[in-house]
Amino acid sequence: SQTIHQWPATLVQPVGSPLSLECTVEGTSNPNLYWYRQAAGRGLQLLFYSVGIGQISSEVPQNLSASRPQDRQFILSSKKLLLSDSGFYLCAWSDGGGGETQYFGPGTRLLVL
Amino acid sequence: AQSVTQLGSHVSVSEGALVLLRCNYSSSVPPYLFWYVQYPNQGLQLLLKYTSAATLVKGINGFEAEFKKSETSFHLTKPSAHMSDAAEYFCAVTPGTYKYIFGTGTRLKVLA
Repeated sequence: SQTIHQWPATLVQPVGSPLSLECTVEGTSNPNLYWYRQAAGRGLQLLFYSVGIGQISSEVPQNLSASRPQDRQFILSSKKLLLSDSGFYLCAWSDGGGGETQYFGPGTRLLVL
Repeated sequence: AQSVTQLGSHVSVSEGALVLLRCNYSSSVPPYLFWYVQYPNQGLQLLLKYTSAATLVKGINGFEAEFKKSETSFHLTKPSAHMSDAAEYFCAVTPGTYKYIFGTGTRLKVLA
């Protein structure tokens, strides 16, 4: 069966520091991968998605970037964190983009101080 | 363009009572519709999915949802609430692409 991992689970970082969040998927190959940010009362905001190694599409221009160095690895990064980057970050995968179900990881809680 | 509206950011029901969480969608093409549940500090878990095979969709934990095209609705129901149902519930729509549009969520509280 497929599983999705995210780490760290919780992170507290000072403003201006770099960020690296990692997501890995097991039990499937060539998944579509997604990064979402969840803010209280605002649902989920799609940040990036990827259909293959090195292929990244950005949905919202901002302080973050994403990379996919391996088939089942998706990384969310920032060079300098802002206070507004605080939130709950969720990684998800799907078998395709044609209405396929997205399966979510456990999330990373980021607090920028 | 697709959109989702969840009426009621907070819903409270008594244990054993009917659960009704409302979701209305807007889509220019036949949509795929989803309900997810999120427990505190966890990711989203799929409850059920509508793919046009049947208008009444049964999901996990006794939940079901009915697709009503004329009302552009996909409300989530459960006949009898249990304390373990307390969580946040999200409705989502996609036209069949990678992009999901999520509602802002409904937090369900179950009263003993």
